[in-house]
Amino acid sequence: NAGVTQTPKFQVLKTGQSMTLQCAQDMNHNSMYWYRQDPGMGLRLIYYSASEGTTDKGEVPNGYNVSRLNKREFSLRLESAAPSQTSVYFCASMTMGQGASGYGYTFGSGTRLTVV
Amino acid sequence: AQSVAQPEDQVNVAEGNPLTVKCTYSVSGNPYLFWYVQYPNRGLQFLLKYITGDNLVKGSYGFEAEFNKSQTSFHLKKPSALVSDSALYFCAVRDMGRDDKIIFGKGTRLHILP
Repeated sequence: NAGVTQTPKFQVLKTGQSMTLQCAQDMNHNSMYWYRQDPGMGLRLIYYSASEGTTDKGEVPNGYNVSRLNKREFSLRLESAAPSQTSVYFCASMTMGQGASGYGYTFGSGTRLTVV
Repeated sequence: AQSVAQPEDQVNVAEGNPLTVKCTYSVSGNPYLFWYVQYPNRGLQFLLKYITGDNLVKGSYGFEAEFNKSQTSFHLKKPSALVSDSALYFCAVRDMGRDDKIIFGKGTRLHILP
């Protein structure tokens, strides 16, 4: 099925542990994004990749790193997890197909991360 | 910088009544505006968007939104609410700054009361 695939769906980490959230899209999109969702805060952009080989910081990048492995894959790494990183993480890719009318995001189903 | 504001954290509406979820925006240039919905324990689903053209945009599940340039608003509406419309709704705007991305509001939780 075409779309954005995120793994894992759920994860519990201990403070100080590391992990990588995986995201892959099969729609040949250039741009990919990582957001975190917290109650009352909406979705905040962590990092994004406008094209293969480039990454940039978003609104809340501290404590995270990313890798754009190829056009399909964009991973998010927590080197030393903290309780403040407990959140739901969403990956998205952007389509620019068919001009302005085709513009928009496709989201993955999310990763619910708890850091204890 | 581009931004959107959702002034209500929560909206309660009786089933069958019309509903409105408010959104105002601040952008330079012509806005690309979006509404997304998130049902409990689910991802985000696209509802509708305004790019250009008619100010009244129709979307999924009977929702529509009215673009008002003078009031810089993009309110989400539905003529008759269903209990199944209970969810978290996000307004969003395209940010065409240094790179292309979408900025989201903080969300409004909609409760439809049976």
